Amino acid sequence: ETGVTQSPTHLIKTRGQQVTLRCSSQSGHNTVSWYQQALGQGPQFIFQYYREEENGRGNFPPRFSGLQFPNYSSELNVNALELDDSALYLCASSFGGKREGKLFFGSGTQLSVL
Amino acid sequence: GENVEQHPSTLSVQEGDSAVIKCTYSDSASNYFPWYKQELGKRPQLIIDIRSNVGEKKDQRIAVTLNKTAKHFSLHITETQPEDSAVYFCAATIPQTGANNLFFGTGTRLTVIP
Repeated sequence: ETGVTQSPTHLIKTRGQQVTLRCSSQSGHNTVSWYQQALGQGPQFIFQYYREEENGRGNFPPRFSGLQFPNYSSELNVNALELDDSALYLCASSFGGKREGKLFFGSGTQLSVL
Repeated sequence: GENVEQHPSTLSVQEGDSAVIKCTYSDSASNYFPWYKQELGKRPQLIIDIRSNVGEKKDQRIAVTLNKTAKHFSLHITETQPEDSAVYFCAATIPQTGANNLFFGTGTRLTVIP
C-alpha cells in the first residue's frame, strides 16, 4: 500500500508570486483534502476534491484553488502569495467523498513567503 | 461552523503515568471525533477515532471517551512511554460540511519524561 506523497517538501517564494503544490493520494483512495497548518496551530481545512470536482471548501479566499486528476492526484494552487500564507500545507486522502471520515495525511509542503 | 477547544496546551508526565487530553466542541451535530498524533517534522497520524453513537473506544494503551450531552471528548493514554512524546490534536466534523472537513483543536504538546 502506497501512502500519501507530497511535493515539494520545502518551497520559498516571494510575496505576489504563485505556487503549485502536488499530492498523490494513498492507493485505493479517491478523495483528496487540503489543509493549512500555521506554526503552533491545528490544521485548517482549505477544500476537498472528489471525482475531479471541489465538493467542500473552508474559509479561504478564491486565490486558493485546486485540481484533481483522473488518477486521484491533486494540486493546490495559490495566487498572489501573501506573507500570512507561510505555513505547512498538508494533503490528506480518503475514500468516499464526504461520507468517509478517516483521513490519512502526507508529510506536507513547508511554504515560506518572503 | 464548529469550534473545537483543546486543553491543556502542554502536558508533562513521568514515564509509566497516564495522560489525559480534553476537548470540547460547539456544534451538537458533530458526529465524528478523530485524534491525531504529530511528531516533530512529521505528518499527523490518526491514532484513534470515535463516532457519536459510541461512548468509549479503546485500542491497547489508548482510549477515547465521548460525552455528547456535555459536548466534550477526551484522549486517555495509559502507561506512557517516551515515544508517546508528540503533539496531539483532537478534531470534530459535522455532517453538513462533510466528513473530511475536520475542525481541529490547537494541539497538546505531550512530553513523557524517562
